[in-house]
Amino acid sequence: DADVTQTPRNRITKTGKRIMLECSQTKGHDRMYWYRQDPGLGLRLIYYSFDVKDINKGEISDGYSVSRQAQAKFSLSLESAIPNQTALYFCATSDFVGQERGTFNTGELFFGEGSRLTVL
Amino acid sequence: GQQVMQIPQYQHVQEGEDFTTYCNSSTTLSNIQWYKQRPGGHPVFLIQLVKSGEVKKQKRLTFQFGEAKKNSSLHITATQTTDVGTYFCAGQPFYGGATNKLIFGTGTLLAVQP
Repeated sequence: DADVTQTPRNRITKTGKRIMLECSQTKGHDRMYWYRQDPGLGLRLIYYSFDVKDINKGEISDGYSVSRQAQAKFSLSLESAIPNQTALYFCATSDFVGQERGTFNTGELFFGEGSRLTVL
Repeated sequence: GQQVMQIPQYQHVQEGEDFTTYCNSSTTLSNIQWYKQRPGGHPVFLIQLVKSGEVKKQKRLTFQFGEAKKNSSLHITATQTTDVGTYFCAGQPFYGGATNKLIFGTGTLLAVQP
């Protein structure tokens, strides 16, 4: 079984619909992330959470919201989907590595299999 | 804003040829990571570089972190068809204080012709 599981894997929806992408992990990591991948743009950070009570905006949080229901669960919501939110979405987890000169090093990211969302 | 650029965007090589992708950040980085994503797959961690001027090798892959900690490279010697995929760098900006974002580069898609 995968350590980081995303559901659904594929979803087609219509403009204006509410969509939730779910992520669960069995790695025991505190840190969880949602990334969006578009061709030629790489992976862009939407939201990240360092523990259950911590939620932070990433580079492209507009139009998205998240919920950290438990250490193992982090869900991404699109309240009113629009076509330019069509993309491949990845959830990821990481462990805290350590501190060097005031910077907290992010450890290796473990990605889920991805959720492909199409908004018509 | 913070940017991490990669070049080239795409590289097509004959099997056995070498391949290099370059990563450049607009800001100094605390560390840099490299990931590989096979077609249809998800990114998988390859390595992390932390020290200025650091060089690490994994079999045919050589990773370098620049002296100024603003650029990095991945070199593959004698490519094989199993090397096909998109290679991403991901840097953690350093502003003299705690910063926790990992900024991904735009990626380099490697195609290897047998």
